[in-house]
Amino acid sequence: AQSVAQPEDQVNVAEGNPLTVKCTYSVSGNPYLFWYVQYPNRGLQFLLKYITGDNLVKGSYGFEAEFNKSQTSFHLKKPSALVSDSALYFCAVRVNTGFQKLVFGTGTRLLVSP
Amino acid sequence: GAGVSQSPSNKVTEKGKDVELRCDPISGHTALYWYRQSLGQGLEFLIYFQGNSAPDKSGLPSDRFSAERTGGSVSTLTIQRTQQEDSAVYLCASRRQGLGEQYFGPGTRLTVT
Repeated sequence: AQSVAQPEDQVNVAEGNPLTVKCTYSVSGNPYLFWYVQYPNRGLQFLLKYITGDNLVKGSYGFEAEFNKSQTSFHLKKPSALVSDSALYFCAVRVNTGFQKLVFGTGTRLLVSP
Repeated sequence: GAGVSQSPSNKVTEKGKDVELRCDPISGHTALYWYRQSLGQGLEFLIYFQGNSAPDKSGLPSDRFSAERTGGSVSTLTIQRTQQEDSAVYLCASRRQGLGEQYFGPGTRLTVT
């Protein structure tokens, strides 16, 4: 069964510093991986996805993610954090059926301090 | 363009009452999903629609939960005889044909008192 793990409940970083939010996955077959962000009282916003191709995926708001097959990881990164990046981040894997439902990690709260 | 919309944004109901939650997907998106977000369970899949058909209902937690979709567009999630454990945020998402990402609505926060 497909699953993702987000080992950190919270990540703290100072504004201007690089940030990393970790995600590891377990899938049978090719992985289709996603990152979403959730701001307070809002739905999930799509950030980026990995389907195939380059291991470094660029997404919205300056975020990028690195797909590493040998480590089964898909960590979210940003070179310089902003206070406004503070939110809840979810990693997800698409179930390899025709229905394409998503299985989500437990979420990581990112707190960027001024 | 217009995104996924959901109504109501908040719903408070008494235990035992029925509730209906509505989702308007992005125009032209054939796939529609319902998820539930709760403190204890995280984000969990409920049901998937392709057009008006629901080939995957595997996430519905009990027979008190049902959903329908009409005209390949609007979907309604109905919870009968609500229980306190139904309290959660119910999220709807839609996806265009193919390998596209899912786009989520703002959710309906359901509180059962």
